[in-house]
Amino acid sequence: GAVVSQHPSWVICKSGTSVKIECRSLDFQATTMFWYRQFPKQSLMLMATSNEGSKATYEQGVEKDKFLINHASLTLSTLTVTSAHPEDSSFYICSTPGHKNTGELFFGEGSRLTVL
Amino acid sequence: GDSVTQMEGPVTLSEEAFLTINCTYTATGYPSLFWYVQYPGEGLQLLLKATKADDKGSNKGFEATYRKETTSFHLEKGSVQVSDSAVYFCALSFSGANNLFFGTGTRLTVIP
Repeated sequence: GAVVSQHPSWVICKSGTSVKIECRSLDFQATTMFWYRQFPKQSLMLMATSNEGSKATYEQGVEKDKFLINHASLTLSTLTVTSAHPEDSSFYICSTPGHKNTGELFFGEGSRLTVL
Repeated sequence: GDSVTQMEGPVTLSEEAFLTINCTYTATGYPSLFWYVQYPGEGLQLLLKATKADDKGSNKGFEATYRKETTSFHLEKGSVQVSDSAVYFCALSFSGANNLFFGTGTRLTVIP
């Protein structure tokens, strides 16, 4: 099946700094990428949908200026958390539908962000 | 709105025990239902799915039946193994849409 690689798997940063998370599709071209966020003991929540070559679509309540998404190529999408604060600490996961429309999503390993 | 309610964990079982993880959903239409599993250090991966009422999804000894009357999709396995230790997520999506609505996840630990 499709393979998605996410990096870094965990990161600790100081408040006010920016952190970039990368999501790569390893053996196929991902035209669409979903970014999810999970708080402890809560559901995975969709943050935004990125499409290669166009602006990302953000879910209601997600600050697009804080969570910058770039999908410049068919194999790479990035999420940058700008001016991070402790409340941004969370688990971020990317996923993509893959190259077959089966309804299945392929996920990265997730990135745990801790902001001090 | 559309949502998934999943049994809270963690769940700890002895090897060869019977497993049930409850999942119910709220949806305005007729969603497809999924169970995803996340093994330690890996990304979520599809375990099984069902696309319409009364369908049964099965894989690796796990089963779940799409029950429209009870809006449920409970995950079961007759005899768990240590290698089944993971986090299990129930999810739904609608035809034509690729994003999923997830439950909170249930951590299963199987002890020898």
